[in-house]
Amino acid sequence: AQSVTQLGSHVSVSEGALVLLRCNYSSSVPPYLFWYVQYPNQGLQLLLKYTTGATLVKGINGFEAEFKKSETSFHLTKPSAHMSDAAEYFCAVSTDTGRRALTFGSGTRLQVQP
Amino acid sequence: DSGVTQTPKHLITATGQRVTLRCSPRSGDLSVYWYQQSLDQGLQFLIQYYNGEERAKGNILERFSAQQFPDLHSELNLSSLELGDSALYFCASSGRGTGANNEQFFGPGTRLTVL
Repeated sequence: AQSVTQLGSHVSVSEGALVLLRCNYSSSVPPYLFWYVQYPNQGLQLLLKYTTGATLVKGINGFEAEFKKSETSFHLTKPSAHMSDAAEYFCAVSTDTGRRALTFGSGTRLQVQP
Repeated sequence: DSGVTQTPKHLITATGQRVTLRCSPRSGDLSVYWYQQSLDQGLQFLIQYYNGEERAKGNILERFSAQQFPDLHSELNLSSLELGDSALYFCASSGRGTGANNEQFFGPGTRLTVL
């Protein structure tokens, strides 16, 4: 079975500062990794995903994440935070064995201060 | 707009009652997933259907059931409701194929409140 740990349930940054949201996963087989964003009263929207190939993945809205197998990590970054980035972010994992649904982390709420 | 629709948007009911949540996947998507989001349990996978057949089960209670119809819409039935069933229920769909690397597109959710 796979699992995801997101370090920090709340992260606060200043507008223009670096955003770093941490995600570590556990999987006995090669994982597929995803970051989703949830704005208030909305569903989840995919930011980016890693399946195979290049370990640095670029997503929408200037976000990117790097798959590091040796560290079992998939941290999400953005060089410069915007007020519109304030939302909840979920890291998720799935694999091609067993059930193929997403297993989510507990989420990180990002606050952006003016 | 993800293309996934869910009705109703809000549902308020009493303990012991039964409700049905409806989901229409994106046009052409064959897989439908149901997730529950609650404050204490987070986002949890409940069940998946692929082209009308149950494909995988997660942490779904026996009081809950689902089905996917020939037109590919899906319904989640929740019965003998308890206060703890209050949550946001999401439906997601993904395209042809059952690979775990397929992107899932999420609907806006149905907020269920059990009083």
